[in-house]
Amino acid sequence: EDQVTQSPEALRLQEGESSSLNCSYTVSGLRGLFWYRQDPGKGPEFLFTLYSAGEEKEKERLKATLTKKESFLHITAPKPEDSATYLCAVQGYSSASKIIFGSGTRLSIRP
Amino acid sequence: EAGVAQSPRYKIIEKRQSVAFWCNPISGHATLYWYQQILGQGPKLLIQFQNNGVVDDSQLPKDRFSAERLKGVDSTLKIQPAKLEDSAVYLCASSPGTSGRGNIRETQYFGPGTRLLVL
Repeated sequence: EDQVTQSPEALRLQEGESSSLNCSYTVSGLRGLFWYRQDPGKGPEFLFTLYSAGEEKEKERLKATLTKKESFLHITAPKPEDSATYLCAVQGYSSASKIIFGSGTRLSIRP
Repeated sequence: EAGVAQSPRYKIIEKRQSVAFWCNPISGHATLYWYQQILGQGPKLLIQFQNNGVVDDSQLPKDRFSAERLKGVDSTLKIQPAKLEDSAVYLCASSPGTSGRGNIRETQYFGPGTRLLVL
């Protein structure tokens, strides 16, 4: 069964303090791994899709990386506006594979 | 380009009542998803449509939940009768559709959600 586990559940950083969020996954052949940002009271907003181990993608202060077992979302010199919940999701290649979301990491950046 | 639209944004009902949610996906998107997101958890897929056909409804509680996507565009999700544990945010998402292995076009774009409280 496909599974996604995100850690930590919550992370509080000082503005400018870089860190990483983890997404560990188990899937029968990875079709794609997705990162989303969700602000309170809103739907998830798409950030990245990664397809194969070794792939990296960047957007502003965020960089997503992928290995065969996990993905990291690195945040460099974060600002208060980066505060949000970050969700990871995976989809496998089997016919029964649906997109599975993790529970998310709640990131809070203090000024 | 207009995003995914959902209505209503908020709904409060009593248990055993019925409720319906509406979703209008991004124009031209073939795939439509309904998710349930309970507070503190990630979204859980309830049903996925490809055009107006059901692709996956394995996690839809079919004794009380139903969904349809007439003409392959708008969709409605209904709960009848509602239970206390149905209190959640119901998210609709759409994606362009899949075009072959290794070329995923399933990046999902989410609407703002409908917040349901069952008392």
